[in-house]
Amino acid sequence: NAGVTQTPKFQVLKTGQSMTLQCAQDMNHNSMYWYRQDPGMGLRLIYYSASEGTTDKGEVPNGYNVSRLNKREFSLRLESAAPSQTSVYFCASSAGLGGSPLHFGNGTRLTVT
Amino acid sequence: KQEVTQIPAALSVPEGENLVLNCSFTDSAIYNLQWFRQDPGKGLTSLLLIQSSQREQTSGRLNASLDKSSGRSTLYIAASQPGDSATYLCAVSGSRETSGSRLTFGEGTQLTVNP
Repeated sequence: NAGVTQTPKFQVLKTGQSMTLQCAQDMNHNSMYWYRQDPGMGLRLIYYSASEGTTDKGEVPNGYNVSRLNKREFSLRLESAAPSQTSVYFCASSAGLGGSPLHFGNGTRLTVT
Repeated sequence: KQEVTQIPAALSVPEGENLVLNCSFTDSAIYNLQWFRQDPGKGLTSLLLIQSSQREQTSGRLNASLDKSSGRSTLYIAASQPGDSATYLCAVSGSRETSGSRLTFGEGTQLTVNP
C-alpha cells in the first residue's frame, strides 16, 4: 500500500532554477493538496485540487503553479526558485468529503541557494 | 483569521505515564478537528478526526476530546511508550468544503517518551 508518493525526497536548487515536484496517490481520492512546512510557521496550504480538472489557490500560492494531471497525480512547479522557497513540501490527498481525513506523503526537502 | 496554538511545544515523560496534549483555537465556528502524528523526516499520519457535533473520539490508547465553545481540544495518551515519541499536531477545519482546503494547523507538541 503505497498511499501518497512524492518525488524527489531531496533537492538543491540555485536561485532562478525551475523544478517540478511530483505526487501520486493510489487511494482513488478525489482531492489533493500541496503544503509547505516551515519552522515557526507550521503547515501552510499552497494549492489544492478538489477534484480532477480543478485547482485553487491556498494561503501561499505566489511563486508556484500546479497541474492535476489525472485523478492520481498532482504536481507542483517552481518556475524561478527563490531562497524563500526553501522548505519541506508535503503532498496530501483525501476522499474530498467534508470530514474525511488527510493522507500525507513523506515530503520533499528543498533547499534554494 | 483562525489561529491554532499547541502548548507545550515540547514534552518529555517517562514510559508508562498517562499524558495530555493541548490544542486551542480562536474561532469556535469549526467543522471538524484532526489530530496528526509526525515522525522525524516523515509526513503526517492522521490519528483521530472529531466532527464539530462530537465530543470525543477514541482509537486504542488515544482519546481526543473537543469543546467547541471554549475553543479547546485535548489528546489523551494512556500508558505512553517510547514508540509514541513524535510530534503531534492538531488542525481545525472551518468549512464543509474539501477536507484539507480550509485546515489551520498548530505547530505541534514534540513528545519524547523515555524508557
